[in-house]
Amino acid sequence: EVQLWESGGGLVQPGGSLRLSCAASGFTFRSFAMNWVRQAPGKRLEWVSTISPGDTNTYYADSVSGRFTISRDPFDNTLYLQMNSLRVGDTAVYYCARRGPNWGHFDYWGRGALVTVSS
Amino acid sequence: EIVLTQSPATLSLSPGERATLSCRASQSVRGLLAWYQQRPGQAPRLLIYDTSNRATAIPARFSGSGSGTDFTLTISSLEPEDFAVYYCQQRSNWPLTFGGGTKVEI
Repeated sequence: EVQLWESGGGLVQPGGSLRLSCAASGFTFRSFAMNWVRQAPGKRLEWVSTISPGDTNTYYADSVSGRFTISRDPFDNTLYLQMNSLRVGDTAVYYCARRGPNWGHFDYWGRGALVTVSS
Repeated sequence: EIVLTQSPATLSLSPGERATLSCRASQSVRGLLAWYQQRPGQAPRLLIYDTSNRATAIPARFSGSGSGTDFTLTISSLEPEDFAVYYCQQRSNWPLTFGGGTKVEI
């Protein structure tokens, strides 16, 4: 059974940093594109970042490019999102999600981690 | 960026009725469109991928159709657990984008 479990959310001041983790199990982690998707309170879903199978490429939404970094550790099946220079507008639930085979849609999701950026 | 516009914003129906949700893209998404269901306090769940393919364990009352820029999600007979928010999403172009959602309420 595919499982994704986020951790590392919390309250941080504007300009601060936070690192989210996503523990994955039940599939060959390195073979799938992994992603972060966020949802601000009462807002639509927003794709944030993707790391390709084999980690050859990373992709970012313009809103986070240069501030966020996606990475993964294939040895412990963990996906990361390093978030720097956080803004109030980054406040959201952050979901870890797997893309299906051949760069498919988001077929499995974690339960989410709440990140609140506030002074 | 491909903009996805969903309509209506809210759909008020009763259990047993048919629901028809629309998603319109600002340019062709080559059929690479999905639908997700999100219940309050839960993560989204993939229902339909690539226009018309049901995801694993999704009941047959959910169906998807469309092409080019216009897509439809149909729920043939609403069950109580189907009252939720539904999002469309395209994987044709970067950045990946979602629609604004349709809330199906009782």
